[in-house]
Amino acid sequence: AQSVTQLDSQVPVFEEAPVELRCNYSSSVSVYLFWYVQYPNQGLQLLLKYLSGSTLVKGINGFEAEFNKSQTSFHLRKPSVHISDTAEYFCAVSDRNNQGGKLIFGQGTELSVKP
Amino acid sequence: GAVVSQHPSRVICKSGTSVKIECRSLDFQATTMFWYRQFPKKSLMLMATSNEGSKATYEQGVEKDKFLINHASLTLSTLTVTSAHPEDSSFYICSASGGTVYEQYFGPGTRLTVT
Repeated sequence: AQSVTQLDSQVPVFEEAPVELRCNYSSSVSVYLFWYVQYPNQGLQLLLKYLSGSTLVKGINGFEAEFNKSQTSFHLRKPSVHISDTAEYFCAVSDRNNQGGKLIFGQGTELSVKP
Repeated sequence: GAVVSQHPSRVICKSGTSVKIECRSLDFQATTMFWYRQFPKKSLMLMATSNEGSKATYEQGVEKDKFLINHASLTLSTLTVTSAHPEDSSFYICSASGGTVYEQYFGPGTRLTVT
């Protein structure tokens, strides 16, 4: 079984500052890793995913994440945030060997960007 | 990109009635669809996984007789909340996959309020 822990429930940050949203996972099998963003009253949009290869993954809207296998982490970063980045962010994992594709989500991190 | 729609976006129903939520993949064939429930300020909880033409697989603790899922075609899955009660009020989100385990597209969600 897998589990995902997002270490910060809320992250307030000023506009144009850098931000890091932390995600750690636990799994006995190899996993795929994902970051999703959810704007109020909307569904989820994929920011980026790690499948294999380079551990540094670049996504949409200037976000990137680094897979660290030894620390079982997949932290999300952005060098300079905008007001429009204010949203809920979810880290998720899925079992590479489970062709059903079930996603296990973290608890979410609310990013609040202030002017 | 792949688009998933949900209908209705919002629904209010009286306690004891049933309500049906539709999830459609608009530009691809969804061999697998997933239904999630999201409580306010909380993460997504997977309710069930459905494969076209097969019975849905429900997660532990989800009442299959209360949350009826039908996946009759490769572009449509429905979730029917039977005999709804106020505690069923929630945000329901579907996602669809075309068969690749790491490609899952989310609908915009349906806000259900049971009075």
